[in-house]
Amino acid sequence: KNEVEQSPQNLTAQEGEFITINCSYSVGISALHWLQQHPGGGIVSLFMLSSGKKKHGRLIATINIQEKHSSLHITASHPRDSAVYICAVRRPSGGGADGLTFGKGTHLIIQP
Amino acid sequence: DGGITQSPKYLFRKEGQNVTLSCEQNLNHDAMYWYRQDPGQGLRLIYYSQIVNDFQKGDIAEGYSVSREKKESFPLTVTSAQKNPTAFYLCASSHPWTEPNYGYTFGSGTRLTVV
Repeated sequence: KNEVEQSPQNLTAQEGEFITINCSYSVGISALHWLQQHPGGGIVSLFMLSSGKKKHGRLIATINIQEKHSSLHITASHPRDSAVYICAVRRPSGGGADGLTFGKGTHLIIQP
Repeated sequence: DGGITQSPKYLFRKEGQNVTLSCEQNLNHDAMYWYRQDPGQGLRLIYYSQIVNDFQKGDIAEGYSVSREKKESFPLTVTSAQKNPTAFYLCASSHPWTEPNYGYTFGSGTRLTVV
């Protein structure tokens, strides 16, 4: 079982719909990241969370540490939101490899 | 503007040849990372470096080598020992976790194809 699970794997929606992407993890973490990868391949960091909720424009990210679950919401979705959204967790430092553990990503397509 | 530059964007290599992927950052980040991305899989950590002249193996280091002679540069060499090198390679950097402005910055990636 992967340490980071995302759902759904693929999501197609109509412009204007409210979008929710879920991320569950099974390990202890110090932070959770939401990333956006466009077709060209480059990755942009959207949010870094260790508790609560963050909002940036039409994007909202929440995390529940007790339930080991995070959600990424997109309000008033637009075709330019079409991308792969990746959840990644940072393991606590000390011992083992540093860096992030990534989910497989959610491929989102917003149709006009 | 500060950021990470990866080059080249596309790279073709003949089987049996070594190839080096470039990663340069001007963010003054101490830590740098190399990840590999394959279709249907999450990114996996190849190597990371938290300080100049020091680096550590990640989860899939076999067949790869790195160097960190300068803070700004963290090149990755894909050697002929890497059995399945065709993949998308991403470089990232960050401040140490203890810094208040900790966060990751990613490059635009290099797509390597072995022909």
